[in-house]
This record gives sequence, C-alpha cells and structure tokens, in this order.
Amino acid sequence: QQKVQQSPESLSVPEGGMASFNCTSSDRNFQYFWWYRQHSGEGPKALMSIFSDGDKKEGRFTAHLNKASLHVSLHIRDSQPSDSALYFCAARNMGYKLTFGTGTSLLVDP
Amino acid sequence: DAGVTQTPRHEVAEKGQTIILKCEPVSGHNDLFWYRQTKIQGLELLSYFRSKSLMEDGGAFKDRFKAEMLNSSFSTLKIQPTEPKDSAVYLCASSLGQGAAEQFFGPGTRLTVL
Repeated sequence: QQKVQQSPESLSVPEGGMASFNCTSSDRNFQYFWWYRQHSGEGPKALMSIFSDGDKKEGRFTAHLNKASLHVSLHIRDSQPSDSALYFCAARNMGYKLTFGTGTSLLVDP
Repeated sequence: DAGVTQTPRHEVAEKGQTIILKCEPVSGHNDLFWYRQTKIQGLELLSYFRSKSLMEDGGAFKDRFKAEMLNSSFSTLKIQPTEPKDSAVYLCASSLGQGAAEQFFGPGTRLTVL
C-alpha cells in the first residue's frame, strides 16, 4: 500500500504566486523527510530536508513538518516559470529505504 | 565534485534484446540504488547496494533484472530479455549512508522497448 499520499496531483499558479504541496504518511517510523524537484529530462534533486517539527525556510521555499499528524508540506512563494517541474516528498525511517510520494506537477504561468 | 553519472541517456531496444545501463555514483558514497520511474507507478526501487554488497534485489524485478556493482565507483543494471513494459526511465542514486543521509540522483536513462 502507498505509505505516502501526496496532493494535489497537479497545480497551476501565476508567476509570482504561491504554490503549496502536501504529503501525509501512514508510517509513524518515518523520521526524515525531503522534498525533491525533478525538471523534465533530469533526475530528481533534493530541494530541502526537514527532520524536526515546525517550519524550515530556505529562500523562497518553506517546509513544514508535523510528526504527530504525519504531515509534511512545502510552500513556494513568488513562484517563477523555472519552478515548473515535478515535486516529490520522500520519507525514511532509520534504514535505507526512501519512500516517495506520488508527485505533484507544478506549472507556473508567466 | 562530480554528481551521479549515467549512460546512455537514451536507449532503444527491440523486444527480447539484452541491454546494460551504467552508473557511476558520487565519489565516497557507500550506498547505491537503482530505481525505475513511470507515470503510473512513480519511483520503484529495483536494487540497493551497501559497500558493493547487494542488500535488496527488488523482489518482483528479480527475474529479468540484474544489478551488479563491479567496484565502488561503477554499477550496471542488465535487463534480459527486454519487454515493451520495461519502457521507463531508470535512475541511479547514491548516498553516504542511511537515516538522515540524502540520496543524490543521476540524470536517468530513458529506455524504449519496441
């Protein structure tokens, strides 16, 4: 069964707007969370990691983690056309296996 | 520092052929992963190596998929024989370790089986 549910499936925002993605996991053993971004024709690249409850901000990107509700989110403010890509959340316990969400396709309209 | 490199970037095969995909991990990384990516299934783990030892061989992918790590800086994924349903992007990733260690992905090989 899918251990990480991601929403929405796709998202379109105007340039300069806010894009938001959500993931909910069903495994309480997950300790470490990442957001990956994948541009067309490339491999996924890690955008941010978040391991503690609360917010983590890096430039235009803010991640939020709530381990009690097993929820992690990513917000992109001032979205740019270059942000158009596929976004994945990923979660891991103390082991090696990284469990990925189903992905959100973001389109930023110039 | 060089990232993960994969060759070829694109491969076209006839049904029944044998193909070999190649990967060079980030220097110094102990863990190496092979994934398959499709629109329907998303990212699926095929194989996992820790310090060149095969730790996971992908369960349902065992029959026709074989990953090897010849040395700490080179891995191959062989698909034999190929089937049209194998058409996908194959990604290689490497990591320093488990838990909090980030996985770094290569650019992928897009395989089309006719």
